[in-house]
Amino acid sequence: GAGVSQTPSNKVTEKGKYVELRCDPISGHTALYWYRQSLGQGPEFLIYFQGTGAADDSGLPNDRFFAVRPEGSVSTLKIQRTERGDSAVYLCASSLNSLQNTGELFFGEGSRLTVL
Amino acid sequence: AQTVTQSQPEMSVQEAETVTLSCTYDTSESDYYLFWYKQPPSRQMILVIRQEAYKQQNATENRFSVNFQKAAKSFSLKISDSQLGDAAMYFCAYLNYGGSQGNLIFGKGTKLSVKP
Repeated sequence: GAGVSQTPSNKVTEKGKYVELRCDPISGHTALYWYRQSLGQGPEFLIYFQGTGAADDSGLPNDRFFAVRPEGSVSTLKIQRTERGDSAVYLCASSLNSLQNTGELFFGEGSRLTVL
Repeated sequence: AQTVTQSQPEMSVQEAETVTLSCTYDTSESDYYLFWYKQPPSRQMILVIRQEAYKQQNATENRFSVNFQKAAKSFSLKISDSQLGDAAMYFCAYLNYGGSQGNLIFGKGTKLSVKP
């Protein structure tokens, strides 16, 4: 596609439920990133993929959070046993290769998750 | 650990005037990148300007320019001839060149309003 696409745009769920958020990066971009943006804050890094593998997952807050990118394109962020504190906008970004080389991330419009 | 501080939660500027947004950062590294991102209500983060720390010359992109003071660890953004479309959240961000290739560290942002 022309840009980074994220679905759903908005998701409301109940505490304890399982949630999946999808990211479709720009075609040909090998690097994919997930960030979380809480209300009134800047985005915080969660995980970075280079191809199919997670090159850095140091930002995942706990083992309830998991992300995959099985074919090196679309990625899914999975959150188990959601908590109210997980409510945030989840941003996905991609770049042609590593950020150090390209200097630019292309962001999607995010998925707003609300946990009741 | 690196940190990014934006001390102005909100700023306002008259259309066609100039405004400067402040950013300071803390790092012990010598090689890094600094960025300014714009986030309109659509939530999509858009790169405004980028600066490599090894470059002494301040980056410019049309109406946008930076004042990069490496010794002072300061990276301010100047917007000239402000337009209504410049109204948005602006985030300063840091990337360590030698570290995680996805771990952009963002400030909390400055909300810019443009008055007609």
